[in-house]
Amino acid sequence: GDSVTQMEGPVTLSEEAFLTINCTYTATGYPSLFWYVQYPGEGLQLLLKATKADDKGSNKGFEATYRKETTSFHLEKGSVQVSDSAVYFCALSDLNGNQFYFGTGTSLTVIP
Amino acid sequence: DTGVSQDPRHKITKRGQNVTFRCDPISEHNRLYWYRQTLGQGPEFLTYFQNEAQLEKSRLLSDRFSAERPKGSFSTLEIQRTEQGDSAMYLCASSLGGPVQETQYFGPGTRLLVL
Repeated sequence: GDSVTQMEGPVTLSEEAFLTINCTYTATGYPSLFWYVQYPGEGLQLLLKATKADDKGSNKGFEATYRKETTSFHLEKGSVQVSDSAVYFCALSDLNGNQFYFGTGTSLTVIP
Repeated sequence: DTGVSQDPRHKITKRGQNVTFRCDPISEHNRLYWYRQTLGQGPEFLTYFQNEAQLEKSRLLSDRFSAERPKGSFSTLEIQRTEQGDSAMYLCASSLGGPVQETQYFGPGTRLLVL
């Protein structure tokens, strides 16, 4: 079945460091791919998405490219800030768009 | 519209009791989803509605769980004869229907603790 495998955390970075959180997926067909973020004490929020191969999603300085050949959707940011401290979830939607599959989440802490 | 809302935000109950949660989606969204999230894990899909029709239900979902969306607007999730293993955060999300999977917008969740 469809699934998402996400880099385990926690990840601790200094401010302005480069961030990569790896995400790979297994799916039938061509799913849509998402990154959601959960800030402390808040609900899940969409960070970015890509709906087809080679699409690049971007938001708030974060980017992820839908790589069909490597079945990956790695999240990157060139310079993290303390305010980026949160849990990041990679997710995919199935072919029919009826179910979402989430990774286990990666906790990021950015220290000044 | 202020987004997806859920009620209550917290619920403490004793094992064996029934509980019911409510979700109000974004008004123009016709799709509604329920998820369960335990500590250190990502959300786990439970069930999905398109308008009032329940179209998908996780094979992992116990018969003690039932969900309704009677008028295609708000939804309720009921857990009967609760067990300690039901303790989790229950999340609701909504989205627009369409040929391409639309973004799901999540509510704040209902945190359930079964004693």
